[in-house]
Amino acid sequence: SQKIEQNSEALNIQEGKTATLTCNYTNYSPAYLQWYRQDPGRGPVFLLLIRENEKEKRKERLKVTFDTTLKQSLFHITASQPADSATYLCALDYGGSQGNLIFGKGTKLSVKP
Amino acid sequence: GAVVSQHPSRVICKSGTSVKIECRSLDFQATTMFWYRQFPKKSLMLMATSNEGSKATYEQGVEKDKFLINHASLTLSTLTVTSAHPEDSSFYICSASKSSYEQYFGPGTRLTVT
Repeated sequence: SQKIEQNSEALNIQEGKTATLTCNYTNYSPAYLQWYRQDPGRGPVFLLLIRENEKEKRKERLKVTFDTTLKQSLFHITASQPADSATYLCALDYGGSQGNLIFGKGTKLSVKP
Repeated sequence: GAVVSQHPSRVICKSGTSVKIECRSLDFQATTMFWYRQFPKKSLMLMATSNEGSKATYEQGVEKDKFLINHASLTLSTLTVTSAHPEDSSFYICSASKSSYEQYFGPGTRLTVT
């Protein structure tokens, strides 16, 4: 079965630096991969979606890469701010038609001022 | 657009009672709604997928008789935890989808069974 690993449970960085989070998966390559932000006691909020035929996607200070050879996605936040502190989840589609997702455990990012 | 609400946000119930959680898509019609459960420091685990007017599809290991899902309309799905036990205490989150890709999540419901 498909497995997802977000290999850092926590990441602490200084304000202004670039945060880089990693998501690795096993088995089949998904048609698309998504990144979500989750704050404590809240539901996840969709950030970015990248398809298997896209290598990179950007949205403001966010950048996502997708390497189907390495079976890895990297999520970057440039010029990080304390307000970026949250848990970031990556999610892959099951491959079914309904868009079912499997989520990683998340990486808790803390940006220190 | 794409706002999803859940009610209640928190609920405490006694062991053996049933609890109903509502999930509504406020400004769009959801083709599919999903129910997840999340334990502390764990990933979201998909419990079931439901389409309006049809039976929910449950993930392996999720008891359909214990977690009753009703998808009455394109904007409302309910999850009823029947005969709740302390081990059912968790954070329950629903999501709604307009297409096969993006999911819009509700704020979650914290269930505590005493």
